[in-house]
Amino acid sequence: NAGVTQTPKFRILKIGQSMTLQCTQDMNHNYMYWYRQDPGMGLKLIYYSVGAGITDKGEVPNGYNVSRSTTEDFPLRLELAAPSQTSVYFCASRRQQGNYGGELFFGEGSRLTVL
Amino acid sequence: AQSVTQLDSQVPVFEEAPVELRCNYSSSVSVYLFWYVQYPNQGLQLLLKYLSGSTLVESINGFEAEFNKSQTSFHLRKPSVHISDTAEYFCAVSDHSAGGTSYGKLTFGQGTILTVHP
Repeated sequence: NAGVTQTPKFRILKIGQSMTLQCTQDMNHNYMYWYRQDPGMGLKLIYYSVGAGITDKGEVPNGYNVSRSTTEDFPLRLELAAPSQTSVYFCASRRQQGNYGGELFFGEGSRLTVL
Repeated sequence: AQSVTQLDSQVPVFEEAPVELRCNYSSSVSVYLFWYVQYPNQGLQLLLKYLSGSTLVESINGFEAEFNKSQTSFHLRKPSVHISDTAEYFCAVSDHSAGGTSYGKLTFGQGTILTVHP
């Protein structure tokens, strides 16, 4: 079972470059999320999606964009990379539940360094 | 808005000793509570969760957490830790209000690094 798959696992960018972090899930989950993890700061929500064609901002969306054209894929786009975007990025998904208490399934993360 | 505070950033313990990882939350509405664990170079995995019912919840590997509404806490405990429990542990909350629009978004604490020494 693949679960949530993120690519690439590691990437070094120069300031001002752009890139896309890919996220795919094979569990037919409607809800998908992008978090960033910084040491001592926990995880902060960047964007989320409740289904194909529907996305919304989280707590720290500036400098990022997302799209959700299919149920499976939820790519995160970084435009004009800045050193402040150096972080570990996690994609997660969960199935839709009426009480929102369902488990989040996480990918293994993408470690991005901006120099 | 919700917030989560994990009171200890690092907790070192010896193998077979008991451990408690502390978590306090703040919310104006009812919440669901979670503990996630992250082993080195991996994503997060659900350890246990409180949704409703008994305030004491347990995981399959011996951890337990108790929801204390009056103290707004959800501390994680294990009576005897093993080397393999070395990991970072995250407490998290999500909005549980009727008609809420949280969409299962989790608010995470800062994390507690548990290091078990032989």
